Amino acid sequence: KNEVEQSPQNLTAQEGEFITINCSYSVGISALHWLQQHPGGGIVSLFMLSSGKKKHGRLIATINIQEKHSSLHITASHPRDSAVYICAVERGGSNYKLTFGKGTLLTVNP
Amino acid sequence: NAGVMQNPRHLVRRRGQEARLRCSPMKGHSHVYWYRQLPEEGLKFMVYLQKENIIDESGMPKERFSAEFPKEGPSILRIQQVVRGDSAAYFCASSGTTTYEQYFGPGTRLTVT
Repeated sequence: KNEVEQSPQNLTAQEGEFITINCSYSVGISALHWLQQHPGGGIVSLFMLSSGKKKHGRLIATINIQEKHSSLHITASHPRDSAVYICAVERGGSNYKLTFGKGTLLTVNP
Repeated sequence: NAGVMQNPRHLVRRRGQEARLRCSPMKGHSHVYWYRQLPEEGLKFMVYLQKENIIDESGMPKERFSAEFPKEGPSILRIQQVVRGDSAAYFCASSGTTTYEQYFGPGTRLTVT
């Protein structure tokens, strides 16, 4: 079993829909990251969080340390949000080594 | 404020050749991390370097792969005698010393023919 599991693997939505991507992990962590990767493109860091909730524009990330679970929400989704969203954790005791989920491919149709 | 730069963006090598991938960290960053993304797989940590030091190479294959981050110039990931299984996207990231938040480069896509 992978230490970081994401669901769903693939997600298709209509423009304007509210999107939720989930991430569960099985190890102790010091922080969790959400990353975005466009097809054939580079990786952009969206959030780094260790507790609570963060918001940036239409993106919201939450984490529940007790339940070892994080969610990434996108409000009013747009076709330009189409990308792979990757959850990654910094294991406790290591503040640099990231362990990644396999990613969620989001397609937002106009 | 230039971000993390990687070159080349695409690299084609024949089996047995050497591949050199370069990473220039963000200005002011002295920590570099290399990751590999194999087709249909997630990203995997390879190595963490500071200037002139390898801090953690636990994710590096034992043979043919090496990395350096000299005092001057970019970090280099070197793959000797490439094989088809080395075909992947290689990303580097950099961070500063006050926080370890990592900023990623655009990646180098290596194809071994």
